[in-house]
Amino acid sequence: ETGVTQSPTHLIKTRGQQVTLRCSSQSGHNTVSWYQQALGQGPQFIFQYYREEENGRGNFPPRFSGLQFPNYSSELNVNALELDDSALYLCASSPPTGQNTEAFFGQGTRLTVV
Amino acid sequence: QKEVEQDPGPLSVPEGAIVSLNCTYSNSAFQYFMWYRQYSRKGPELLMYTYSSGNKEDGRFTAQVDKSSKYISLFIRDSQPSDSATYLCAMSGPSGGSYIPTFGRGTSLIVHP
Repeated sequence: ETGVTQSPTHLIKTRGQQVTLRCSSQSGHNTVSWYQQALGQGPQFIFQYYREEENGRGNFPPRFSGLQFPNYSSELNVNALELDDSALYLCASSPPTGQNTEAFFGQGTRLTVV
Repeated sequence: QKEVEQDPGPLSVPEGAIVSLNCTYSNSAFQYFMWYRQYSRKGPELLMYTYSSGNKEDGRFTAQVDKSSKYISLFIRDSQPSDSATYLCAMSGPSGGSYIPTFGRGTSLIVHP
């Protein structure tokens, strides 16, 4: 059984650029969530995908978008990057229990916007 | 006021001490309460979760939930230097058919030999 893997691990982008982050979910998990974790803060929920459909979204602007693929892997896209987007982006996958009580996180992608 | 409040610490204790980590919350709809451990430069790792009020024990870890006070705790017995990490509480309840966890900001724990 493989865990949640994210790529890349580190990324530096310039303000105004676009970025795509990738996540492979744990085997058997059909729900993927994305979080933004600023330094010294807890993870903030961005959105969640279940069976390729977005079924929950946090307080993030539309320039944050995502996809889930038939194999349950996922992408997070951020357009028009801003300096405040610099953070650790975490992907978590969950088994089909519905309550998100057992979320398994990847190691994260550290995004720096300059 | 944030939905979930957690003291960032750092909390420094000697090896072998009993550690108490706490969170308070304001949303009475929360039903599930989780504790995660996050080492530096890593993703959070689920330690345990509980449903509604009560206690749950797993090895050296005990989670307590008091819904009447909107207060949850994680106790670590016989703490070890390897327990040094940031501990995040998270909680969720039904919202539009989904259960979206809300996290505290984490408490930094340092266990010194």
